[in-house]
Amino acid sequence: DTGVSQDPRHKITKRGQNVTFRCDPISEHNRLYWYRQTLGQGPEFLTYFQNEAQLEKSRLLSDRFSAERPKGSFSTLEIQRTEQGDSAMYLCASSSGAQGWTDTQYFGPGTRLTVL
Amino acid sequence: TQLLEQSPQFLSIQEGENLTVYCNSSSVFSSLQWYRQEPGEGPVLLVTVVTGGEVKKLKRLTFQFGDARKDSSLHITAAQPGDTGLYLCAGERGITGGGNKLTFGTGTQLKVEL
Repeated sequence: DTGVSQDPRHKITKRGQNVTFRCDPISEHNRLYWYRQTLGQGPEFLTYFQNEAQLEKSRLLSDRFSAERPKGSFSTLEIQRTEQGDSAMYLCASSSGAQGWTDTQYFGPGTRLTVL
Repeated sequence: TQLLEQSPQFLSIQEGENLTVYCNSSSVFSSLQWYRQEPGEGPVLLVTVVTGGEVKKLKRLTFQFGDARKDSSLHITAAQPGDTGLYLCAGERGITGGGNKLTFGTGTQLKVEL
């Protein structure tokens, strides 16, 4: 078990560019979550996948954001036409859902995005 | 809008001191979790509390869940420099398809100095 991995760890981009982040969950985990964390705040939920199906999206996820999990394994989060307000840490978490109504989410190290 | 308020926001103490961090919610969640996050890393789960009035201990850390399941506290005894980090509480709530959405608190940044 290598844990949740995210790539890249850091991304610096210019305003207006598109960026894509990748998350590799713990193998066999069918649930995958994306969160966004700005400086000095706790993470905020963005979206949730069960296998390849995206089942829940936050209103924080504007139409410039799109997430996919095409084969139910890794996931990508794309931000189009980045804005300075998109600067944040983007966290991915996965879980097995095997505990019933409570669930332990394992977080990756995050991708820190800086939009200049 | 953060539904979970933590206090204090910042705490700087000397090694060996005791401290308590509070987490207050305007809503009831199915469970409440405490995480610790170090710079440049994701949050790591410390404990999950489920039942009102529940108390859990993890070495020098004691977690308490309020009777109404809206507030929680984390008490650290004899703090050590290795306890330094961002402490986050998070309320867990079920969502579509069986997933569980976490709503995080505002965080408490703890620094323990020698």
